[in-house]
Amino acid sequence: ETGVTQSPTHLIKTRGQQVTLRCSSQSGHNTVSWYQQALGQGPQFIFQYYREEENGRGNFPPRFSGLQFPNYSSELNVNALELDDSALYLCASSSTADTQYFGPGTRLTVL
Amino acid sequence: AQSVTQLDSHVSVSEGTPVLLRCNYSSSYSPSLFWYVQHPNKGLQLLLKYTSAATLVKGINGFEAEFKKSETSFHLTKPSAHMSDAAEYFCVVSLKTSYDKVIFGPGTSLSVIP
Repeated sequence: ETGVTQSPTHLIKTRGQQVTLRCSSQSGHNTVSWYQQALGQGPQFIFQYYREEENGRGNFPPRFSGLQFPNYSSELNVNALELDDSALYLCASSSTADTQYFGPGTRLTVL
Repeated sequence: AQSVTQLDSHVSVSEGTPVLLRCNYSSSYSPSLFWYVQHPNKGLQLLLKYTSAATLVKGINGFEAEFKKSETSFHLTKPSAHMSDAAEYFCVVSLKTSYDKVIFGPGTSLSVIP
């Protein structure tokens, strides 16, 4: 049991809509990373937050944005949804060490 | 540039036989290396981690991996496969830059035949 939780488990949206995904990090962890995992592929890094600031970003457009709160929980927001945004979105938390612990993910389907 | 290659997209073994999942990496720096496992419709579970201590790393569920710098490899092994080992396995490189830069390999799907 890693202690990282994500909500919701599943979500269905239509093109052009906006979505917010949530993540609660493991106790004592101050860093949260988000990943997109398309079907049959490995996770792709979206961005990372450390103490409420974005400190790293992968190759994703600005319509992917995030927040980290003082309790180190986090949100991933995606605007103007596209069909290709359909994927499993994974959140991972870590402390000053580099081991990331993953949540169960949110399955997003865009119709 | 950093990258991770998993040499087999799919591996099939019989129950009770050894498992070998191959991983090679490319990095200009000394990385941390991980193996994660993902069962169907589940998140990622950490199997083991290498961070420049012992080159042979023991993980959970009987898995282990050996870091070979000269070969830039970090292959995952298990002496005897169990049906519950059937899953997707990811080799991961982590670099300490301004953030924890994490690069996933494409994954290897392991099937275990009864």
